[in-house]
Amino acid sequence: DAGVIQSPRHEVTEMGQEVTLRCKPISGHNSLFWYRQTMMRGLELLIYFNNNVPIDDSGMPEDRFSAKMPNASFSTLKIQPSEPRDSAVYFCASSPAGQRGEKLFFGSGTQLSVL
Amino acid sequence: DAKTTQPTSMDCAEGRAANLPCNHSTISGNEYVYWYRQIHSQGPQYIIHGLKNNETNEMASLIITEDRKSSTLILPHATLRDTAVYYCIVRGSASNTGKLIFGQGTTLQVKP
Repeated sequence: DAGVIQSPRHEVTEMGQEVTLRCKPISGHNSLFWYRQTMMRGLELLIYFNNNVPIDDSGMPEDRFSAKMPNASFSTLKIQPSEPRDSAVYFCASSPAGQRGEKLFFGSGTQLSVL
Repeated sequence: DAKTTQPTSMDCAEGRAANLPCNHSTISGNEYVYWYRQIHSQGPQYIIHGLKNNETNEMASLIITEDRKSSTLILPHATLRDTAVYYCIVRGSASNTGKLIFGQGTTLQVKP
């Protein structure tokens, strides 16, 4: 299994531009999570989906952020318009939900720099 | 979910056991203890989890005290590749999702 696949690996953009981050979860996993990591705030949960349905988006910082999961094998996190304070590493993770003590499997992350 | 407290940093000599403590004094009966680690520039990696019994796998051992208010992650023979940030997380099993909230963790430095 290739694991959780994220793209792009690195993204550099200018303030005001739209940014789209992509994630392919592990086949068969029912839950998908988007995390953001910065030095100041550590790892923050932004949103998670269960069976393609958003369950909790309370961690999404503001309306500029949106996430979709059109099917079980693909999710996007979009920032529009982007701002320098959005610079961070964004991780996607998936898990086989429905089991007690389930593990999260993380992707390698997308390093986002907004200039 | 219960809050956890971990030391900010620890050192360990290569080849020796690394014992990473975690306090979770407000843990409730249905909450699991999870350990993840994050090696520099990588995504977090699952290590082990447990409810009340001690657990062991190919990576580590987890010792949970009888009152469940604290636990210790043991890496039996630490190597330089075990240098990472180690996160102790407590999460209930009430829901069927894997929502995990990460704290600041313990930075473990394994030294030659």
